[in-house]
Amino acid sequence: GAVVSQHPSWVICKSGTSVKIECRSLDFQATTMFWYRQFPKQSLMLMATSNEGSKATYEQGVEKDKFLINHASLTLSTLTVTSAHPEDSSFYICSARGGLVEETQYFGPGTRLLVL
Amino acid sequence: QKEVEQDPGPLSVPEGAIVSLNCTYSNSAFQYFMWYRQYSRKGPELLMYTYSSGNKEDGRFTAQVDKSSKYISLFIRDSQPSDSATYLCAKGAGGTSYGKLTFGQGTILTVHP
Repeated sequence: GAVVSQHPSWVICKSGTSVKIECRSLDFQATTMFWYRQFPKQSLMLMATSNEGSKATYEQGVEKDKFLINHASLTLSTLTVTSAHPEDSSFYICSARGGLVEETQYFGPGTRLLVL
Repeated sequence: QKEVEQDPGPLSVPEGAIVSLNCTYSNSAFQYFMWYRQYSRKGPELLMYTYSSGNKEDGRFTAQVDKSSKYISLFIRDSQPSDSATYLCAKGAGGTSYGKLTFGQGTILTVHP
């Protein structure tokens, strides 16, 4: 139980294009989903928190217009990187809070983004 | 001072050794703690969850919390090469930040045969 999927697992795009990443909780309803970014050999950096049906809450320094988050249902959240640039290249990971123990977060497998 | 401090290692041990991974934290507000294991190029995998002081055991893993000294530990018994990964401790927040996790830097562990 408590499986979270992400799609795509990796993506390569040209500078200036937009990329959408999907995060799904497969066997539980997630009260909240989180989006993280991770650079090589570094820990996870929280970008934003999203609750179903409401606007996402972004961490300080994260551009809302750059990283659009839509939490359409209790099992689906999407992150769109708009007008991507090479500095946006990173490992993006989502997590979903819920399951048997409400405080626990279960992570997706991550999406590796490379912007050329 | 970072809210959660974790020695990044790297830590290298022989197969079968007992591994001790440690973190300290600075904020004493309502908290709960988790340990995650992350293999290279993968998402973190939840290993242990605890919110009270004392020990919690699950198979070869034991999570220990000492709230008086703000110290959390993860012990791995009979370590295996498949345990080689980065281990992340995390502290959960309460109040208006309920549900958000603050992660330590992660400890890189290598278990060699």
